[in-house]
Amino acid sequence: DVKVTQSSRYLVKRTGEKVFLECVQDMDHENMFWYRQDPGLGLRLIYFSYDVKMKEKGDIPEGYSVSREKKERFSLILESASTNQTSMYLCASSEGVNTIYFGEGSWLTVV
Amino acid sequence: KQEVTQIPAALSVPEGENLVLNCSFTDSAIYNLQWFRQDPGKGLTSLLLIQSSQREQTSGRLNASLDKSSGRSTLYIAASQPGDSATYLCAADQTGANNLFFGTGTRLTVIP
Repeated sequence: DVKVTQSSRYLVKRTGEKVFLECVQDMDHENMFWYRQDPGLGLRLIYFSYDVKMKEKGDIPEGYSVSREKKERFSLILESASTNQTSMYLCASSEGVNTIYFGEGSWLTVV
Repeated sequence: KQEVTQIPAALSVPEGENLVLNCSFTDSAIYNLQWFRQDPGKGLTSLLLIQSSQREQTSGRLNASLDKSSGRSTLYIAASQPGDSATYLCAADQTGANNLFFGTGTRLTVIP
């Protein structure tokens, strides 16, 4: 069965901390994505990757970076967390133009 | 930049009713239009994908239509059930690589 796993479901971090959100997919997909979802704003694309070691900025990359050292793993990094980064973060993967699969989400609160 | 709108934001219907959810987009140069379901506190599940060359797609009680020229898509749910209660999101793919622009969703409640 298809699986996108976000290892941390709920996190509470302090302002200024470095935060890592990890995502692993078991489908050998080339494409991986990070979105954030906020009430009234919907899902917005932060970063995406079409291959190992490749990354592209989405609509709202400021304050974030990503790492894709292995095909199955795509990490989102908040270099210095701020309260306006409190949100639900969703990872997704797909192969080409085919169905996109989402993880369960990671709820991040920055205090 | 593509903007996707879903109206209404929330909808309540009695069980058994047929219903239509609406999605509009500003840039008709899309590769495909996708519909998703999201249960509270969960990720998204893909429901239907309509290619730009298609007019509609069906899966069980769900039927999605696409009118590119008018920038509209609809999701029709037949004989609604309480288990259909969820938020439904549409998204436009501009490039064919699942780089999606999402609407803010319609929260559907089906009352038993």
